[in-house]
Amino acid sequence: EVQLLESGGGLVQPGGSLRLSCAASGFTFGYYAMTWVRQAPGKGLEWVSAIGGTGGRTYYADSVKGRFTISRDNSRNTLYLEMTSLRAEDTAKYYCSRDGYSNYWYVDYWGQGALVTVSS
Amino acid sequence: QSVLTQPPSVSAAPGQKVTISCSGGSSNIGSNYVSWYQQLPGTAPRLLIYDNNKRPSGIPDRFSGSKSGTSATLGISGLQTGDEADYYCGTWDSSLSGVVFGGGTKLTVL
Repeated sequence: EVQLLESGGGLVQPGGSLRLSCAASGFTFGYYAMTWVRQAPGKGLEWVSAIGGTGGRTYYADSVKGRFTISRDNSRNTLYLEMTSLRAEDTAKYYCSRDGYSNYWYVDYWGQGALVTVSS
Repeated sequence: QSVLTQPPSVSAAPGQKVTISCSGGSSNIGSNYVSWYQQLPGTAPRLLIYDNNKRPSGIPDRFSGSKSGTSATLGISGLQTGDEADYYCGTWDSSLSGVVFGGGTKLTVL
């Protein structure tokens, strides 16, 4: 059974940093690209970042480019999102998700999410 | 303002059919496949449709997807009260080199 378990969320002051982790199990982690998607309270889904299976390719939304860094450790089956220079508008639930095995993007499994609150 | 445009809400009676549209452009829907997600209140999203019209295992055939040009449509037939949720379309945007989602559509089953 595919499982994705996020951790590392919490309350942080504006300008602060936080690192999210996503522990994956139930599949061969290194075979799959992974994606972070966030959802601000009461709002829709917003794509944040994606990374290829080997970690060689990374992609970022303009809203987080230069502030967030996606990475993975395939030996630990873990996905990361390093967030710096956090702003109030980064407050959201952050979902770790697995990309489908296809030439075209989609996500087939989602974690339960980690809540990040940026406030003083 | 989302790159993909969905109606904010749709409604229909139990047993009826509803469609949800998702409109984009040549760099996203026009040149890539579309996926659809259901988000029940208080839960994580769930994949409903991928590659425009394919259903993952476990998704009933009441859910269907189609694409024409720069628009896609999600169809839900035999509506049930348990289908009340937010629905999102998503795809890759070749110009942005990133994923774009629609703003979401809230389905109410009257």
